[in-house]
Amino acid sequence: GESVGLHLPTLSVQEGDNSIINCAYSNSASDYFIWYKQESGKGPQFIIDIRSNMDKRQGQRVTVLLNKTVKHLSLQIAATQPGDSAVYFCAEKSGSQGNLIFGKGTKLSVKP
Amino acid sequence: GAVVSQHPSWVICKSGTSVKIECRSLDFQATTMFWYRQFPKQSLMLMATSNEGSKATYEQGVEKDKFLINHASLTLSTLTVTSAHPEDSSFYICSAADRGTDTQYFGPGTRLTVL
Repeated sequence: GESVGLHLPTLSVQEGDNSIINCAYSNSASDYFIWYKQESGKGPQFIIDIRSNMDKRQGQRVTVLLNKTVKHLSLQIAATQPGDSAVYFCAEKSGSQGNLIFGKGTKLSVKP
Repeated sequence: GAVVSQHPSWVICKSGTSVKIECRSLDFQATTMFWYRQFPKQSLMLMATSNEGSKATYEQGVEKDKFLINHASLTLSTLTVTSAHPEDSSFYICSAADRGTDTQYFGPGTRLTVL
């Protein structure tokens, strides 16, 4: 069936370095993608989104890249900080009611 | 930004009892709310989609008679876990979609523990 998945389950980076979290999706008809950050015991927090008519979108310290040719999505975090430590999920909008399909998640650990 | 609240944040109940979880959009109207379930170290699994004024749409494998959903207003949806059992223990998270946009905002989650 259709699914959204992640290449790396865990990622450990040094404080100040850039982080890249990857996601593969399989539904070529998907037109909206979102990255969420989830800290332990909390709900997902919206980070950034992108529509399929765009290749790149930038926010504050974060950039999302979309490669529709290979159905790949990535989240780049610049100058990673300890507060960025969390699990990051990509999500794909699916269905007529706008429900999201979540990937497995990547745990980002930032070493001071 | 848009805020979604959940109540309670955690609950412990005895097996066989029912538990109601509320999800509220505080500063926007949500015609659609979603209920998710998350087990430890796993991703979010959609349980049902709740539309204001109509019956909820349940995902395959989710018992509608066990997980009762009511979306009585544009700012409130409730999930009732009926006759709870230990296997229902989980982290339940709701989200609300802002009218006119695709963005879903999530609540802080409710930790349910069934003894």
